[in-house]
Amino acid sequence: RKEVEQDPGPFNVPEGATVAFNCTYSNSASQSFFWYRQDCRKEPKLLMSVYSSGNEDGRFTAQLNRASQYISLLIRDSKLSDSATYLCVVITNYGGATNKLIFGTGTLLAVQP
Amino acid sequence: DTGVSQDPRHKITKRGQNVTFRCDPISEHNRLYWYRQTLGQGPEFLTYFQNEAQLEKSRLLSDRFSAERPKGSFSTLEIQRTEQGDSAMYLCASSPPPPGLAGVETQYFGPGTRLLVL
Repeated sequence: RKEVEQDPGPFNVPEGATVAFNCTYSNSASQSFFWYRQDCRKEPKLLMSVYSSGNEDGRFTAQLNRASQYISLLIRDSKLSDSATYLCVVITNYGGATNKLIFGTGTLLAVQP
Repeated sequence: DTGVSQDPRHKITKRGQNVTFRCDPISEHNRLYWYRQTLGQGPEFLTYFQNEAQLEKSRLLSDRFSAERPKGSFSTLEIQRTEQGDSAMYLCASSPPPPGLAGVETQYFGPGTRLLVL
């Protein structure tokens, strides 16, 4: 079983729609959580960190449920420019020095005009 | 441009050849990571440097792979006797020290080196 699981999609939505992505992680010791965005043939870029209290950045809202080991990303009023792959990422640091990122497979979003 | 840079951006090689990739991190970032991404998958961790010390290597990093960061600045990743299964995008990321004992730093990725082994 992968440590971070996501529905690969694709999610095809019209402009202006609200879309939600979900992600589950298997290691209860995971302590940091992120959403990264990756455009086609480009590098991943940090979209936002995810906290138990929930956090919002404009049209984007991220939520963490530690009890269910579940992370979500909500995008409101989708734009064509939101089309990309959204990667769910966790850090599970076993007390070592490495904060290596553990990625899900990514969820592909295609916003249609 | 003061971001992470990687060279070359693309590499095509024949099976059995050796290849070397270079990563130049953001200045003063003491942490450097290598990841590998295959089609349809998220990036997978390969190895990590803190300054010049290689502190962790993934089991994905077979004996044919070696990485160095000799002066704590740029890093190289070499693959010897390449195999078709090595075809992937190799991503480098750098980060500053974390903000405080419990903090987590942001990793900044380079554009990647896309390797195709024929």
